[in-house]
Amino acid sequence: NAGVTQTPKFRVLKTGQSMTLLCAQDMNHEYMYWYRQDPGMGLRLIHYSVGEGTTAKGEVPDGYNVSRLKKQNFLLGLESAAPSQTSVYFCASSYSGGPTYEQYFGPGTRLTVT
Amino acid sequence: AQSVTQLDSQVPVFEEAPVELRCNYSSSVSVYLFWYVQYPNQGLQLLLKYLSGSTLVESINGFEAEFNKSQTSFHLRKPSVHISDTAEYFCAVGRAGGTSYGKLTFGQGTILTVHP
Repeated sequence: NAGVTQTPKFRVLKTGQSMTLLCAQDMNHEYMYWYRQDPGMGLRLIHYSVGEGTTAKGEVPDGYNVSRLKKQNFLLGLESAAPSQTSVYFCASSYSGGPTYEQYFGPGTRLTVT
Repeated sequence: AQSVTQLDSQVPVFEEAPVELRCNYSSSVSVYLFWYVQYPNQGLQLLLKYLSGSTLVESINGFEAEFNKSQTSFHLRKPSVHISDTAEYFCAVGRAGGTSYGKLTFGQGTILTVHP
């Protein structure tokens, strides 16, 4: 099993450009999450999904959109990138939402917006 | 809402020395508590968690954490660290009961650097 994979690993965007980050998991997990990690701020939840076809806002959703058309994939989109969105983005998945179910994290995508 | 404060942003120690990484939380409801570890250039991995029962929880690689409800703390300790423990450590809380959807609130992270 590959676990949780993220594409791409690195990306540089100019302000105003758009892009989509792909997260894929092969563990048949229902729940998926997108976080951003910034120095001194830990991880903050952007959006999450509790199953195929569902999405919900997390703590910092502004400027991002998501889609979960297939159970194994969770896409994070930036329609018009801003320098404030420079960050490391992590995707995670879990079998369910209960505390006994561990969140498994991908390796991250480092995004720089100039 | 919950919040998590990790009291030290960086902790340098020498190999085989003991270490404590401090974590305090705030919540109006009961919570579950977690420690995650992030090795360089990797994603986060669960280190240990407290759900209920014994307030002292242990990981397979020698770390332990104690839940202290009165002090709202969940400090992480290891009696003797190794070079391989160099990583960033995150404390996290999740709401117990209700419909939390597994959402976690993370602390700011503590970078543990173990020197030879």
